[in-house]
Amino acid sequence: AQSVSQHNHHVILSEAASLELGCNYSYGGTVNLFWYVQYPGQHLQLLLKYFSGDPLVKGIKGFEAEFIKSKFSFNLRKPSVQWSDTAEYFCAVNNYNQGGKLIFGQGTELSVKP
Amino acid sequence: GAVVSQHPSRVICKSGTSVKIECRSLDFQATTMFWYRQFPKKSLMLMATSNEGSKATYEQGVEKDKFLINHASLTLSTLTVTSAHPEDSSFYICSAISTSVNEQFFGPGTRLTVL
Repeated sequence: AQSVSQHNHHVILSEAASLELGCNYSYGGTVNLFWYVQYPGQHLQLLLKYFSGDPLVKGIKGFEAEFIKSKFSFNLRKPSVQWSDTAEYFCAVNNYNQGGKLIFGQGTELSVKP
Repeated sequence: GAVVSQHPSRVICKSGTSVKIECRSLDFQATTMFWYRQFPKKSLMLMATSNEGSKATYEQGVEKDKFLINHASLTLSTLTVTSAHPEDSSFYICSAISTSVNEQFFGPGTRLTVL
């Protein structure tokens, strides 16, 4: 069965620090990969997605992620975080053949200190 | 972007009663919607796939008779929690796929508390 693992449960950073959140998935076939963000009290929003092509994907708000197929990884990065980036971040995988059904990681809570 | 709404945003009910949650795609048609359950500090767990005009497809371990899903139109799916118990208390989130942009949009969630 597919699964998604996020290594960090809670990350605390100071503003301007660099961010990298790990995400690994288990599935041998073709997958689509996503990062979602959930700000406090708000609904899930798509940060970025990878379907094919350039493995380095740029998303909104300065976030990017790199798909490394050999490592089954899709880590999220941001060079300089802001206090407003405080949120819950979810990595998700979608089996190309399963019509949109998303499997989510456990989530990583990011707290950015001003 | 596309908007998905849920109603109600929060509901408190007594044990044994049934609760209906609505999920609507406001500015696009969605042949497929999904229902997720989110526990505190936990990930989203897919409960079922709701297909317009046909029966929902439930994930393993999700009781079909307890969580009734009806996708009667291209913009509305409903989740009914039947004979709710305190362990059903959770945050229920729906999503809908917009085929025009090939993206899944999430509703704001419904907080269910069963007393």
